[in-house]
Amino acid sequence: NAGVTQTPKFRILKIGQSMTLQCAQDMNHNYMYWYRQDPGMGLKLIYYSVGAGITDKGEVPNGYNVSRSTTEDFPLRLELAAPSQTSVYFCASSGAVSERAYEQYFGPGTRLTVT
Amino acid sequence: AQKITQTQPGMFVQEKEAVTLDCTYDTSDPSYGLFWYKQPSSGEMIFLIYQGSYDQQNATEGRYSLNFQKARKSANLVISASQLGDSAMYFCAMSQGAAGNKLTFGGGTRVLVKP
Repeated sequence: NAGVTQTPKFRILKIGQSMTLQCAQDMNHNYMYWYRQDPGMGLKLIYYSVGAGITDKGEVPNGYNVSRSTTEDFPLRLELAAPSQTSVYFCASSGAVSERAYEQYFGPGTRLTVT
Repeated sequence: AQKITQTQPGMFVQEKEAVTLDCTYDTSDPSYGLFWYKQPSSGEMIFLIYQGSYDQQNATEGRYSLNFQKARKSANLVISASQLGDSAMYFCAMSQGAAGNKLTFGGGTRVLVKP
């Protein structure tokens, strides 16, 4: 199993550009999440999904959009990038039914700089 | 709303000694989960330990134990017999409901293990 994979690893955007951060998991997990981590801070939840076709906002959703057309994939879309979106983005997933359903598995992160 | 507070921005510990990382939380939900994650300098998020709000016993995972004091709303992490590889950022987090979804993170504590 590859676990949770994210692409790209690094990206530099100009202000106003758009991009999609890709996230995929091969563990058949129902739950998927996007977090952002600003320098020296803890992670904050952007969006999450409880299954294909179902998404909901987290703590800091403004400036982002998500979709979940399959169980495996959960892309995060940035529209009109702003310097405030400079951050490290983590995707995570967790299983709905298992002994350790509470454990979230994190991807390696995408480091995004907006200049 | 849930809140996690980690008051120790950084600390040193001697190799082979134990260290306690403080975490206090605030929530009005009766059901919640408490987590600790490790983030080494390479950036990945590594799950360490979980405690459900209804669990009677403190959780343990190898050298990690969670000192859960419900009345004080604290969930301190104890690392026994520190190793050089324990040098990292440590984040306390809590979930809405014991299932572990939608994590709220604290600001983190940086631990440096001295030889």
